[in-house]
Amino acid sequence: ILNVEQSPQSLHVQEGDSTNFTCSFPSSNFYALHWYRWETAKSPEALFVMTLNGDEKKKGRISATLNTKEGYSYLYIKGSQPEDSATYLCAFDYGNNRLAFGKGNQVVVIP
Amino acid sequence: ETGVTQSPTHLIKTRGQQVTLRCSSQSGHNTVSWYQQALGQGPQFIFQYYREEENGRGNFPPRFSGLQFPNYSSELNVNALELDDSALYLCASSLNLAGGLEQFFGPGTRLTVL
Repeated sequence: ILNVEQSPQSLHVQEGDSTNFTCSFPSSNFYALHWYRWETAKSPEALFVMTLNGDEKKKGRISATLNTKEGYSYLYIKGSQPEDSATYLCAFDYGNNRLAFGKGNQVVVIP
Repeated sequence: ETGVTQSPTHLIKTRGQQVTLRCSSQSGHNTVSWYQQALGQGPQFIFQYYREEENGRGNFPPRFSGLQFPNYSSELNVNALELDDSALYLCASSLNLAGGLEQFFGPGTRLTVL
């Protein structure tokens, strides 16, 4: 069983504040770590695919880091906006693009 | 939105019935994976198809089966439906099997089993 844990499960953030959450995953058989942003009634949208230890990626106000040796990734949102409200999923790629997902971080940005 | 489409959007079945869900992959993608998301859980890997062959399966019973067609679209079939099969079913396509490739998800099919 591939254990992918995300914390916190849900959080409320005041507009303008920055926030971050954690994804932990197995440190063996690692191929990649994916982050998705998922709004209700829409398709999960790929944010980042990270493959190298120490990777840091950024898209606008959202960034992510990767530590494959200790098995964790952080996702940061800087200056949260109401449109950032969504569930953020991380997924561990254990080969051939097969993904093991966490339960997600549900973010609500309060105007 | 991605170029991956799924049909139907939602459906209701009763226990013991059979259901077929469909997925149209992004143009040029030869790999399709299916996931089940039960309430309060993250998506769980069901199986993957690569060039019309099953290429890996998660912890799901044989009554979950699939197909991939020459145009790389795919079907998920579930026989003898059980109440616990109620979930959101997602498909995702990728360019090929290489690790670390972006996967493109459809919006899902919501299945309710009564």
